[in-house]
Amino acid sequence: NAGVTQTPKFQVLKTGQSMTLQCAQDMNHEYMSWYRQDPGMGLRLIHYSVGAGITDQGEVPNGYNVSRSTTEDFPLRLLSAAPSQTSVYFCASSQDRGWEKLFFGSGTQLSVL
Amino acid sequence: DAKTTQPPSMDCAEGRAANLPCNHSTISGNEYVYWYRQIHSQGPQYIIHGLKNNETNEMASLIITEDRKSSTLILPHATLRDTAVYYCIARARTGGGNKLTFGTGTQLKVEL
Repeated sequence: NAGVTQTPKFQVLKTGQSMTLQCAQDMNHEYMSWYRQDPGMGLRLIHYSVGAGITDQGEVPNGYNVSRSTTEDFPLRLLSAAPSQTSVYFCASSQDRGWEKLFFGSGTQLSVL
Repeated sequence: DAKTTQPPSMDCAEGRAANLPCNHSTISGNEYVYWYRQIHSQGPQYIIHGLKNNETNEMASLIITEDRKSSTLILPHATLRDTAVYYCIARARTGGGNKLTFGTGTQLKVEL
């Protein structure tokens, strides 16, 4: 049982480059979300999805796009990377509308030079 | 979401109980208290949650005061592997997605 899988684990980008962080879950969870974590800031919600075809913005959505074409996948796209997007990114999923258990991936460490 | 306040750091001796406090004095009646932890460089991990009653599972116990303005997470026999940042979150189960807001938490250090 893989749970939530994020790729890549590490990435270095130059300012202005674009890339997609991948997130997949094999638990048939309806809810998926992306967080970023910066030193001293806790985790901040970027975007989330309540099901295939439905996405919404979180606390810090600017500079990021998401889509949810399947239940399993929830990719996060950086259209034009900026140094301010240097962070650790976590994808999470949960089974239902309750907040009981969020399952997190192992994270992607992104550096933008 | 109700604001939660946690001490920034705590120490605990291995084998002893670790008692992590959380203040949520503005919590409303439909807001649950959730606890997660994050071991260094890993994704956060769900521990436990509760509304009014005390809760216990294989990982920890959650004690919520009668007025619900504060709670304590108890790790009964802390080990070195429990060294982590512990997050206390107050959130209503109103649907709309997993919009949990994580603050800065409490860094628990378990020592020999």
